[in-house]
Amino acid sequence: GEDVEQSLFLSVREGDSSVINCTYTDSSSTYLYWYKQEPGAGLQLLTYIFSNMDMKQDQRLTVLLNKKDKHLSLRIADTQTGDSAIYFCADHVEGQNFVFGPGTRLSVLP
Amino acid sequence: GAVVSQHPSRVICKSGTSVKIECRSLDFQATTMFWYRQFPKQSLMLMATSNEGSKATYEQGVEKDKFLINHASLTLSTLTVTSAHPEDSSFYICSARERTNYGYTFGSGTRLTVV
Repeated sequence: GEDVEQSLFLSVREGDSSVINCTYTDSSSTYLYWYKQEPGAGLQLLTYIFSNMDMKQDQRLTVLLNKKDKHLSLRIADTQTGDSAIYFCADHVEGQNFVFGPGTRLSVLP
Repeated sequence: GAVVSQHPSRVICKSGTSVKIECRSLDFQATTMFWYRQFPKQSLMLMATSNEGSKATYEQGVEKDKFLINHASLTLSTLTVTSAHPEDSSFYICSARERTNYGYTFGSGTRLTVV
C-alpha cells in the first residue's frame, strides 16, 4: 500500500533555515499536508499543497513538491525555539483516507 | 516497517446506535496509542491518549462517556462512539508508538457518517 517516509530527527541552530523532507509512493495523491505537533497537543495543520502545484509559500514556510520524484519538503526560514515540535507529512488521495509519515522531531538549538 | 491497521475504513450508522473502531499494531507492541478526530479541512484534534492496561487520558472537552476507549492489550486499542449523533460524523484516526524516540505510526483512518 501507500507509504510515506520521513527522517525521524532534525537539529538546527536558532536563526538558521530548517528543511524537513518527505517521500511518498502514491502518484495519484491529490493533496499533501504538513502538520505540526507540539508536546501534549494534537496535530495542527500548517499548510497543504495541491498536487498540481510546485511550490507554496506562506510567511516563513515554503513547501516544495517534486511530483516526478514524489518528494515533498517543508522549509522553515529563521527557525525559532518555538518551532521545536514534531512535523508530520501526510498524503491524501481524493476519496480515500490519509496516509501519514512517522513524523520528524525538530530540535532548535540556541 | 511498523504497521497500524485501523478498521473499519468507512462506516455509516443510524443515529442512536454505537460504533466501534479498532486500531491494531501489527508487528510491534504499542504501549501508547492516540486517538484523533478531524473536521473537514481542519487540524487533527487529539481526543485521548491510551496506555495499555490503564484508563485513557482524555483531552479537555472530550466526553469520556461518549467516546469509550479501551486499550486492553499491547496491540489493540478500540474507540467506541456511543449513542452516535450526526454531529459525531467525522474522520477518526489512531496512531501508535512502539516506544519513546521511535516514530509515530498512523492508522488509515475511519470515516464515520451518522444518519
